[in-house]
Amino acid sequence: GQQLNQSPQSMFIQEGEDVSMNCTSSSIFNTWLWYKQDPGEGPVLLIALYKAGELTSNGRLTAQFGITRKDSFLNISASIPSDVGIYFCAGQLAPQAGTALIFGKGTTLSVSS
Amino acid sequence: ETGVTQTPRHLVMGMTNKKSLKCEQHLGHNAMYWYKQSAKKPLELMFVYSLEERVENNSVPSRFSPECPNSSHLFLHLHTLQPEDSALYLCASSRDRGSSYGYTFGSGTRLTVV
Repeated sequence: GQQLNQSPQSMFIQEGEDVSMNCTSSSIFNTWLWYKQDPGEGPVLLIALYKAGELTSNGRLTAQFGITRKDSFLNISASIPSDVGIYFCAGQLAPQAGTALIFGKGTTLSVSS
Repeated sequence: ETGVTQTPRHLVMGMTNKKSLKCEQHLGHNAMYWYKQSAKKPLELMFVYSLEERVENNSVPSRFSPECPNSSHLFLHLHTLQPEDSALYLCASSRDRGSSYGYTFGSGTRLTVV
């Protein structure tokens, strides 16, 4: 089936550092979504992107929908300990509206203070 | 409060047991999903229900049996499971099947098969 390549798989950073992760695919997507999963919980939606080139922020988080519609990235600025968790990208293929989202394998973020 | 409630949060069962996982949403969503999340693996879509009708079944073994009695409730009935079925089982809902507004997930049921 279709896959999203999410990288890096894991990151170990110091508090205060900026973080960048991305998702790529060989297919074109209509929608890109970024989720965060805290330990022992389900994923929670952080940012949704609907248009190529779109840049959207949510506090210290910024995500962009790639111009080619085949990729997206998520940046976290000035990381804090509560940023720890697994970050997932998810996308909906174009033009297959009505299909289930495709998820990346996740980026596990560890922040040391 | 996520809007999607899963019970129980933790479940330990023997391979000969029968148990059920429950998911409930009061968001007015029309689609509901079961996902399996194993360590170091991507989220695996198991079942999709749209307006209480099963629309996707991704080659899931018959020892997993879903049930959707109405648009607010989703069950996953388990019987004669294997140790490799131990995982976090996540329920999600969305406005409609394939909604571009994303899914709302529950907190999951951590299942351990012994």
